[in-house]
Amino acid sequence: DQQVKQNSPSLSVQEGRISILNCDYTNSMFDYFLWYKKYPAEGPTFLISISSIKDKNEDGRFTVFLNKSAKHLSLHIVPSQPGDSAVYFCAAREMLMDSSYKLIFGSGTRLLVRP
Amino acid sequence: EPEVTQTPSHQVTQMGQEVILRCVPISNHLYFYWYRQILGQKVEFLVSFYNNEISEKSEIFDDQFSVERPDGSNFTLKIRSTKLEDSAMYFCASKTAGSWTGELFFGEGSRLTVL
Repeated sequence: DQQVKQNSPSLSVQEGRISILNCDYTNSMFDYFLWYKKYPAEGPTFLISISSIKDKNEDGRFTVFLNKSAKHLSLHIVPSQPGDSAVYFCAAREMLMDSSYKLIFGSGTRLLVRP
Repeated sequence: EPEVTQTPSHQVTQMGQEVILRCVPISNHLYFYWYRQILGQKVEFLVSFYNNEISEKSEIFDDQFSVERPDGSNFTLKIRSTKLEDSAMYFCASKTAGSWTGELFFGEGSRLTVL
């Protein structure tokens, strides 16, 4: 049961161009969505998040768009840089009974930014 | 900058042996998690822990798994009798009580290889 899906396992982009990473979800109860970046042999690091009541959040070169009706979000990186090459995980927040929460991750998209 | 630390970075064990993976979460964090990533697959939720008890556990977290916070700083994951399919990267994560963005802070992971 894949509640968070990243259908593109990989993406290759020229340096300076825009990278668009996509994510779909099925559970309308998710209240926050996050993007994590992961380098080999390291843990995921938080990149940017968006509340389910927003449709856009921007932080420097990174912008996340949320389309609730389509249950779709995307991460835009512009301009892309070689150092952005990593695996990007989309994650959704699900509340637990004790008011804590867990994150449910997608399968990741490997981004390669070519110099 | 405070970080989540995990030991060992890599452990090789024989099938059927017990393994303990250790984590030191960020000191003022109250919620603790274990996730795992089998090579090339998504990051999967195992268990969340708050107020000295498990908040939620996934189907993966069966009777062979247990977690403990023995001394107020360490957070451990024990696998009693390892199986080949337990080979994965295990990530510990933690968060504060007042995080609105849903961000979990991850350690660099412990790679478990079961032979």
